[in-house]
Amino acid sequence: GDSVTQMEGPVTLSEEAFLTINCTYTATGYPSLFWYVQYPGEGLQLLLKATKADDKGSNKGFEATYRKETTSFHLEKGSVQVSDSAVYFCALDGSARQLTFGSGTQLTVLP
Amino acid sequence: DAGVTQSPTHLIKTRGQQVTLRCSPKSGHDTVSWYQQALGQGPQFIFQYYEEEERQRGNFPDRFSGHQFPNYSSELNVNALWLGDSALYLCASCRGTVTDTQYFGPGTRLTVL
Repeated sequence: GDSVTQMEGPVTLSEEAFLTINCTYTATGYPSLFWYVQYPGEGLQLLLKATKADDKGSNKGFEATYRKETTSFHLEKGSVQVSDSAVYFCALDGSARQLTFGSGTQLTVLP
Repeated sequence: DAGVTQSPTHLIKTRGQQVTLRCSPKSGHDTVSWYQQALGQGPQFIFQYYEEEERQRGNFPDRFSGHQFPNYSSELNVNALWLGDSALYLCASCRGTVTDTQYFGPGTRLTVL
């Protein structure tokens, strides 16, 4: 079945540091890939998505590229801010017509 | 444009009781999915409703049931609650296509004592 393996946290960075959160997946066919963010006490917000190989999703300075050859969708940001502190989830929408999520990565950015 | 709304925000029940959670999808959306998110984990898919029918179901027991109304809103019912059902229950909506983006509500925090 479909699965998502996500870099475990927690991750702690200083403000303006470079961020990478690794995500790899297993799925049949050609899934769509997503990054969602969850702030404390809230639901999930879509951060970015990519629907086919080599697509790059981007939003609010975050980027992720759909790499079919390595089955990866790593999240990156060049300069993180304190306001980026949250839990980040990688997810896929595959042949089962449902979202499959990774376990989440807690990011804390210190001033 | 109203997003996905859920009620109630928080709920406390005791073991063996039954609970009903409600969800209104984002305007223009006709498909509703429910997810269970245990503390410190990623959301797990429960089921999806489209055209008032359950279209897809995850690995959850029959104690979990749902309904979709003609206005596309949805309910999640859980019978015979046990401690392990304590979680954040998330509702997501999208248009009927398979790959359309799902938008999430703020969730209902259920605590079972």
